Amino acid sequence: DAMVIQNPRYQVTQFGKPVTLSCSQTLNHNVMYWYQQKSSQAPKLLFHYYDKDFNNEADTPDNFQSRRPNTSFCFLDIRSPGLGDAAMYLCATSITSGNKETQYFGPGTRLLVL
Amino acid sequence: DAKTTQPNSMESNEEEPVHLPCNHSTISGTDYIHWYRQLPSQGPEYVIHGLTSNVNNRMASLAIAEDRKSSTLILHRATLRDAAVYYCILRVYYGGSQGNLIFGKGTKLSVKP
Repeated sequence: DAMVIQNPRYQVTQFGKPVTLSCSQTLNHNVMYWYQQKSSQAPKLLFHYYDKDFNNEADTPDNFQSRRPNTSFCFLDIRSPGLGDAAMYLCATSITSGNKETQYFGPGTRLLVL
Repeated sequence: DAKTTQPNSMESNEEEPVHLPCNHSTISGTDYIHWYRQLPSQGPEYVIHGLTSNVNNRMASLAIAEDRKSSTLILHRATLRDAAVYYCILRVYYGGSQGNLIFGKGTKLSVKP
């Protein structure tokens, strides 16, 4: 089945130690998104790629960066994780980015910062 | 940002219909109404969307008020698997930019056996 895959499902890192979360898709969608979801809160968009075109949300901290080397893969890099970055990180895709389009989410990676 | 208002929580009995309301009084003519749900420990899942007319799919029905300032997600027969947080989202059209998903707090639906 076509899907959005996130690895690992759980990631533990140390305060200040760079960490990379990965997302892959078999849907061949043009757009890939990264959301952050803290405990008991709604998901919040960090940024998205339309093909290779990167779009950063205005309030996304500089500590968060992303790479999309090809259509299938997208990475979230957290350069110096703080305790406040502990959250579920959700990857999603859509065919295009119009306001009719459905987004397909992966299962998420839960990040713990020690 | 386009805003929606939903009750924080609702309860339902298994196999009974559930009506989840959403108010979006600031909606504009090009905004689509989307519903997603998030089961515990999973990523959000698309449920349904519409613009003006009522919509049905295998998961649910979406009833949109004539003035489009409110909508209702209808689960025809709730099951235990439907227990989730349901998000009503307005997707605005920013022209060249993109109609991002802006999640509100959602409604946590509990289903009792």
